[in-house]
Amino acid sequence: DTGVSQDPRHKITKRGQNVTFRCDPISEHNRLYWYRQTLGQGPEFLTYFQNEAQLEKSRLLSDRFSAERPKGSFSTLEIQRTEQGDSAMYLCASSLGDRAGNTIYFGEGSWLTVV
Amino acid sequence: KNQVEQSPQSLIILEGKNCTLQCNYTVSPFSNLRWYKQDTGRGPVSLTIMTFSENTKSNGRYTATLDADTKQSSLHITASQLSDSASYICVVSAESGGGADGLTFGKGTHLIIQP
Repeated sequence: DTGVSQDPRHKITKRGQNVTFRCDPISEHNRLYWYRQTLGQGPEFLTYFQNEAQLEKSRLLSDRFSAERPKGSFSTLEIQRTEQGDSAMYLCASSLGDRAGNTIYFGEGSWLTVV
Repeated sequence: KNQVEQSPQSLIILEGKNCTLQCNYTVSPFSNLRWYKQDTGRGPVSLTIMTFSENTKSNGRYTATLDADTKQSSLHITASQLSDSASYICVVSAESGGGADGLTFGKGTHLIIQP
């Protein structure tokens, strides 16, 4: 499968614990995005990378959240000191180049439940 | 402020019937509009991408239309099947990036096909 891969698909954690999600984009895709989605809502932008450079961070990305893409390939999204409000699906997406018309491919998402 | 509004919020139709989903946007300057299908618990999958010069684009039983003057798009589903049950998300891109890399997501229309 050469699509966007996310791991783990599901994570249940206790409040206050740290969690990390990994995203492997489609090979050669230099843009990588992270979104958060709650039930009945559309994806909300968190951050995106152009290669290894993090170009933008949403105000939704509090200081408990950090994202990295160290070598311009896979990316990680870490949430520290999780809160119940962090429960959501975290979507990763990737695209090729910076042309606005390029298709953005999404992964299957990582479901986080904070108990 | 760039916004994408989708209607209806939810829709229930009988298998075999046609339906039309609406997307109105205020994104400027407009670059392109995308429709995604998102099955429950899965990541969004691209259906169509339409640029300013395109009025209609089809993908099997899905036909998207775009009126850039009125800033409206529709997604028409013909001869619906049970597998069409999903959320349909409209995403509009602004030229030259901008916040969230210029991408504004609608909240989606939740479509249920009943046998």
